Amino acid sequence: DAGVIQSPRHEVTEMGQEVTLRCKPISGHDYLFWYRQTMMRGLELLIYFNNNVPIDDSGMPEDRFSAKMPNASFSTLKIQPSEPRDSAVYFCASSPFTTGHHLSGNTIYFGEGSWLTVV
Amino acid sequence: GQQLNQSPQSMFIQEGEDVSMNCTSSSIFNTWLWYKQDPGEGPVLLIALYKAGELTSNGRLTAQFGITRKDSFLNISASIPSDVGIYFCAGQANFGNEKLTFGTGTRLTIIP
Repeated sequence: DAGVIQSPRHEVTEMGQEVTLRCKPISGHDYLFWYRQTMMRGLELLIYFNNNVPIDDSGMPEDRFSAKMPNASFSTLKIQPSEPRDSAVYFCASSPFTTGHHLSGNTIYFGEGSWLTVV
Repeated sequence: GQQLNQSPQSMFIQEGEDVSMNCTSSSIFNTWLWYKQDPGEGPVLLIALYKAGELTSNGRLTAQFGITRKDSFLNISASIPSDVGIYFCAGQANFGNEKLTFGTGTRLTIIP
């Protein structure tokens, strides 16, 4: 069974350029998350979707960041314009639907990450 | 906001030794998860805990959900070279709220 698939794995871009990161969640998972990881701030949740609908985007750092989920099998995280401080590893993760309040099925599975360097 | 304090930040141990790390929170969590991240990879779930006091094992790994709901620990017995990596705890505060708060990580290095 394929895990969460992210692309590109690595990207180096110049400041001011647009960056688009892509994610394919695990089939059947209803939740999709975008995280950012840096040495200074660790793992930060940027935004998450439930059934393709953005639920909480309070972690998105600023208007330069946007995320979309046009269908259940695809999401993008876009940075426009990019800045050097955006350099980080961006992880997409997905989670299955949970019923009731018990979260025994609610474990989050991460992709391998997109390593972004903005110069 | 909620914060998870994870300790120690790093550990240097010899192969075969046992490892213990913990996570504490300033507020209550209803779920605790432990992840391991290998270099160049995403975090991989090791153990999930859903009930206060719960003690769960996965091979050489054992984790417990603290009674106060504000802490959790992870033990690794008889460490082996492939245990090297960064271990993260993560907590979920509210049922039905999918947001996880991650700890700062414990970097484990094994000395041959």
